[in-house]
Amino acid sequence: EDKVVQSPLSLVVHEGDTVTLNCSYEVTNFRSLLWYKQEKKAPTFLFMLTSSGIEKKSGRLSSILDKKELSSILNITATQTGDSAIYLCAVDRETSGSRLTFGEGTQLTVNP
Amino acid sequence: EPEVTQTPSHQVTQMGQEVILRCVPISNHLYFYWYRQILGQKVEFLVSFYNNEISEKSEIFDDQFSVERPDGSNFTLKIRSTKLEDSAMYFCASGKAGGLWEQYFGPGTRLTVT
Repeated sequence: EDKVVQSPLSLVVHEGDTVTLNCSYEVTNFRSLLWYKQEKKAPTFLFMLTSSGIEKKSGRLSSILDKKELSSILNITATQTGDSAIYLCAVDRETSGSRLTFGEGTQLTVNP
Repeated sequence: EPEVTQTPSHQVTQMGQEVILRCVPISNHLYFYWYRQILGQKVEFLVSFYNNEISEKSEIFDDQFSVERPDGSNFTLKIRSTKLEDSAMYFCASGKAGGLWEQYFGPGTRLTVT
């Protein structure tokens, strides 16, 4: 059974801080790892990672995959209150389509 | 920017009733998915759909559930004879084919079974 574990489950920081969110996984026939941001409702796509060591970056957010350690990190620099959300990590396996297995998420709260 | 839409945003139904949740995927996407999230729990995969048939389904997706693409734009999830434990947020997602496996999620339908 595929498994995704995220840590920490909850994090409270002040605006301007840098945070690192962790995701570890066990999956048969790994295809990719995805990060999503969930505010009120829908998970919003952030990154998809397939290759080890290649950083994906979008503004203040960046992420990297380590296939040897079966893990990924999501970094957010210079946090803002608008970054407050649940960050979800999911893994996809090689199937005929796609099938995401999600972790519990990290609840990030950024205080002014 | 194109997005996945879902209707209704909230559905309340009585136990034993049938419900149909509707989704309009992003127009050039070919893969469609349903997930659910029970309050306080993880997002869980239900089913994937491609080329007018189910590609894969989870253990949750039993005979009580069915999916359909009745026309060129809508994708529906039918739940027959709802149970209390079906209360959850149901997310539709869509994705392109051809190796681009990102999935884009709709805003969800909150189903409350009383």
